[in-house]
Amino acid sequence: GENVEQHPSTLSVQEGDSAVIKCTYSDSASNYFPWYKQELGKRPQLIIDIRSNVGEKKDQRIAVTLNKTAKHFSLHITETQPEDSAVYFCAASSGGGADGLTFGKGTHLIIQP
Amino acid sequence: DVKVTQSSRYLVKRTGEKVFLECVQDMDHENMFWYRQDPGLGLRLIYFSYDVKMKEKGDIPEGYSVSREKKERFSLILESASTNQTSMYLCASSFGRGSGYTFGSGTRLTVV
Repeated sequence: GENVEQHPSTLSVQEGDSAVIKCTYSDSASNYFPWYKQELGKRPQLIIDIRSNVGEKKDQRIAVTLNKTAKHFSLHITETQPEDSAVYFCAASSGGGADGLTFGKGTHLIIQP
Repeated sequence: DVKVTQSSRYLVKRTGEKVFLECVQDMDHENMFWYRQDPGLGLRLIYFSYDVKMKEKGDIPEGYSVSREKKERFSLILESASTNQTSMYLCASSFGRGSGYTFGSGTRLTVV
């Protein structure tokens, strides 16, 4: 089955700086890669996703890049703000997510004032 | 806005009890999922369903079963609860392929 590795487990950045979280996956058939944000005590929420026919996708301060050859994808957050503090999870699926997502173990992003 | 509702926020059960966790979604989503979330382990898939009365095992199905008698409802059953099933349980739903999941608020289950 699929295996998703996520790094780092904890990331501390100064407010206003950029943050990058990286994930690798094992199944070359994976074609759907979402990212979820989970604030303390709340449910995970989808923030951005990318499909295997696209190399990059942006939404305001958030971007995701995908390298299918190397089987890795990354989340980029620019101009970080205090409300970006949360745990971020990457995930991968070969069935577009319909047969379940395999999640990474999460990155705790801390924005220092 | 899609809503996924889990019936209990907190549950405390005794070892050996049969436990039912209920999940209801209100947007006619085809796919429903049960995950458990543990510190340092992320979210792990227990079972999923892509249609009424259909169920598929995820990565960690042992000790669990599921039921989907109606499209909007997906139940997780712990046949005989054990202390290692103490966890946060998250239900999710999605529409078709390539669409994001909507998660419920979770049920924190403690087995004593």
